[in-house]
Amino acid sequence: GESVGLHLPTLSVQEGDNSIINCAYSNSASDYFIWYKQESGKGPQFIIDIRSNMDKRQGQRVTVLLNKTVKHLSLQIAATQPGDSAVYFCAENRGGGSEKLVFGKGTKLTVNP
Amino acid sequence: DVKVTQSSRYLVKRTGEKVFLECVQDMDHENMFWYRQDPGLGLRLIYFSYDVKMKEKGDIPEGYSVSREKKERFSLILESASTNQTSMYLCASSMGGTQETQYFGPGTRLLVL
Repeated sequence: GESVGLHLPTLSVQEGDNSIINCAYSNSASDYFIWYKQESGKGPQFIIDIRSNMDKRQGQRVTVLLNKTVKHLSLQIAATQPGDSAVYFCAENRGGGSEKLVFGKGTKLTVNP
Repeated sequence: DVKVTQSSRYLVKRTGEKVFLECVQDMDHENMFWYRQDPGLGLRLIYFSYDVKMKEKGDIPEGYSVSREKKERFSLILESASTNQTSMYLCASSMGGTQETQYFGPGTRLLVL
């Protein structure tokens, strides 16, 4: 079954606020995680990734935090803009030599002007 | 930049037709994947290929076949399209290895009447 999930299916924020999107996973052997952004009618777009030997990784306006103790992943978007409105989903590689990813179902982020 | 292209953005076919979806990547990636994406179900892996002429079933291979004759091209074939195959089809590619990002194409929205 699906083990990569999300705490909230929708998130609505005001423009300029920070957004936090969460993801839970259940496989302690998972060693690689990715956040994707998918705009309506388009394919998923890579945002940022993190390996299990890291707790935090920063990109441009985005930060991914990994808490292996509670098997939790989050994506923080700073100064959210209307162009950030999309569905965000996480993906994990479960290790063990697999080259496949398991995807969460996504959180829809709406940014209000 | 990684570029993954899919032959069609929208496709309408009739039940029983044979359907070909083409995917091309220009980054010399070893791995290529076909997913379908349906509301509430997220991304589900149909097939993937880790080398030319090599393929492996994903989670939902029934009703589909694939072909990878050249490294850059991965085709998904619906032998006899059915209405329950109406979906968004996404192709992805990645370098060989277990901690590699998958890069997606724009998707093909297939409607089977």
